[in-house]
Amino acid sequence: DTGVSQDPRHKITKRGQNVTFRCDPISEHNRLYWYRQTLGQGPEFLTYFQNEAQLEKSRLLSDRFSAERPKGSFSTLEIQRTEQGDSAMYLCASSFHLASSYNEQFFGPGTRLTVL
Amino acid sequence: SQQGEEDPQALSIQEGENATMNCSYKTSINNLQWYRQNSGRGLVHLILIRSNEREKHSGRLRVTLDTSKKSSSLLITASRAADTASYFCATAANNAGNMLTFGGGTRLMVKP
Repeated sequence: DTGVSQDPRHKITKRGQNVTFRCDPISEHNRLYWYRQTLGQGPEFLTYFQNEAQLEKSRLLSDRFSAERPKGSFSTLEIQRTEQGDSAMYLCASSFHLASSYNEQFFGPGTRLTVL
Repeated sequence: SQQGEEDPQALSIQEGENATMNCSYKTSINNLQWYRQNSGRGLVHLILIRSNEREKHSGRLRVTLDTSKKSSSLLITASRAADTASYFCATAANNAGNMLTFGGGTRLMVKP
């Protein structure tokens, strides 16, 4: 399967614990996006990378959240001191950016986080 | 916050009927897209319509865009039980696609 993959698919943690999610984009895609989706709502943008550079961050990305893409391939999203409000589906997407054309984003299956 | 609102929030129809979902948005856009999401899964891109286009077709899908009213509609013709899913519109403010802003979605159920 050459699509976007995310690991783990499900994570249950206790409030106050740290969690880390991983996203592997489609090979050769230079852009990688993180979104968060709560139950019954549409996804909300968190941040995106072009290669290893983090170019934009949403106000939703509090200081407890950190994302990295160290080698411009896979990315990790870490949440420190988790809160019950962090419970959501975390979606990753990737695209190949060309300056003069629209770049479709391909989404992974998501990581569902439950904070008890 | 969500860019737009989808209407209706939920829709239940019989197999073979057409399903129409509407999306409204607030700011100027470069393009608008529709995505499908099966329960608990990731999103699948269905169709993109640019701001200078008024209508687009793809198989059983027909999308319209009215930039003066800041609204779009998605029509699924001859629906099938397999079309049961949530449908989201998403807007992109520029051609770079830096971020997508999604609506709240329409949950479609197609009864066999």
